[in-house]
Amino acid sequence: NAGVTQTPKFQVLKTGQSMTLQCAQDMNHEYMSWYRQDPGMGLRLIHYSVGAGITDQGEVPNGYNVSRSTTEDFPLRLLSAAPSQTSVYFCASSYSRSHEQFFGPGTRLTVL
Amino acid sequence: AQSVTQPDIHITVSEGASLELRCNYSYGATPYLFWYVQSPGQGLQLLLKYFSGDTLVQGIKGFEAEFKRSQSSFNLRKPSVHWSDAAEYFCAVGAGNKLSFGAGTTVTVRA
Repeated sequence: NAGVTQTPKFQVLKTGQSMTLQCAQDMNHEYMSWYRQDPGMGLRLIHYSVGAGITDQGEVPNGYNVSRSTTEDFPLRLLSAAPSQTSVYFCASSYSRSHEQFFGPGTRLTVL
Repeated sequence: AQSVTQPDIHITVSEGASLELRCNYSYGATPYLFWYVQSPGQGLQLLLKYFSGDTLVQGIKGFEAEFKRSQSSFNLRKPSVHWSDAAEYFCAVGAGNKLSFGAGTTVTVRA
């Protein structure tokens, strides 16, 4: 099993550009989440999904969109990148809400 | 909504000494509690978790944590620290479908 994979590993954007961060898992997990990690702030939940076709907002959803068309994939879309979105983004998945979350290796995003 | 506080931003400990990392949470019921570790440039790895039952839980790498309902705490301990334990440690609280993380504690191990 590859576990949770994220692409790309690094990305530089200009303000106003859009892009999609990819996340995939091969563990047949129902729960998937996106977090951003900023120094001194821990991980903050952006969006999450409890199954295909079902998504909900987390703590910091503004400026981000998600969709969940399959169990395996949970892409995060930045609609119009802003410097405040410079961060490290982690995708995670788990079997259920009470189970351990498995994290991907992260995507380091810089917005100029 | 739940919240997590890790009071110590940075802890320095000598190799072989004991380590305790503090975690306090705010939630109306008994939450799911987790400790994760993150090595530099890496993702997060689960050390241990508490759902119910015995309030002292054992994890990987020799770590343990104790859930104290009266203090709303879930402190992480290790009796003897190794240099490889230098990392950032995150306490997390799960409630409903969401997981909330503390700001993290960075552990430095000196020889």
